Amino acid sequence: GQQVMQIPQYQHVQEGEDFTTYCNSSTTLSNIQWYKQRPGGHPVFLIQLVKSGEVKKQKRLTFQFGEAKKNSSLHITATQTTDVGTYFCAGESGGSYIPTFGRGTSLIVHP
Amino acid sequence: DTAVSQTPKYLVTQMGNDKSIKCEQNLGHDTMYWYKQDSKKFLKIMFSYNNKELIINETVPNRFSPKSPDKAHLNLHINSLELGDSAVYFCASSQAGTSGAGGQFFGPGTRLTVL
Repeated sequence: GQQVMQIPQYQHVQEGEDFTTYCNSSTTLSNIQWYKQRPGGHPVFLIQLVKSGEVKKQKRLTFQFGEAKKNSSLHITATQTTDVGTYFCAGESGGSYIPTFGRGTSLIVHP
Repeated sequence: DTAVSQTPKYLVTQMGNDKSIKCEQNLGHDTMYWYKQDSKKFLKIMFSYNNKELIINETVPNRFSPKSPDKAHLNLHINSLELGDSAVYFCASSQAGTSGAGGQFFGPGTRLTVL
């Protein structure tokens, strides 16, 4: 079955440093979604990427979808303490509307 | 207005009991889901359901059963609770079936503790 690998599992940064999390799928994806879960909270949908090579920005967050539609990344510029949480990617493929979630990357920002 | 709501928020119960968790969405979505999140934060899909199709993750024990009285509700019933069932359970909804439909909306979660 489809697998979505996400690295790193944890990332400690000093406030102001940049952060990147990566997702790789074993199969070609129709789209990839990104979610953020704050400690004690629930996953919140951030964005969906559909097109090969697509790049989207939300303020300090930059999302990329690979040319082969098998990998994606989320980059945060100049992290803030409000960025703390676990970031999940979730990929859909093969006409299924059920995304496969990566294991998440937990971001810890030290002030 | 809450888009996806779940009750209860916390559930503490004894092994062997039967319990239900309720979920409602007011987004008009046609597909609802149940996820289990363990202590390591892994989000495991349990069920996906719309008015046409129920998809069950084959690794989910048959003690777990989804019940949908209507399109806006998907409840989760658990029989004979076990210690390993302790986790946070999330309900979610989406407008499925169309590419670029815009992701899933999650409820606040139900923290289940089995003693």
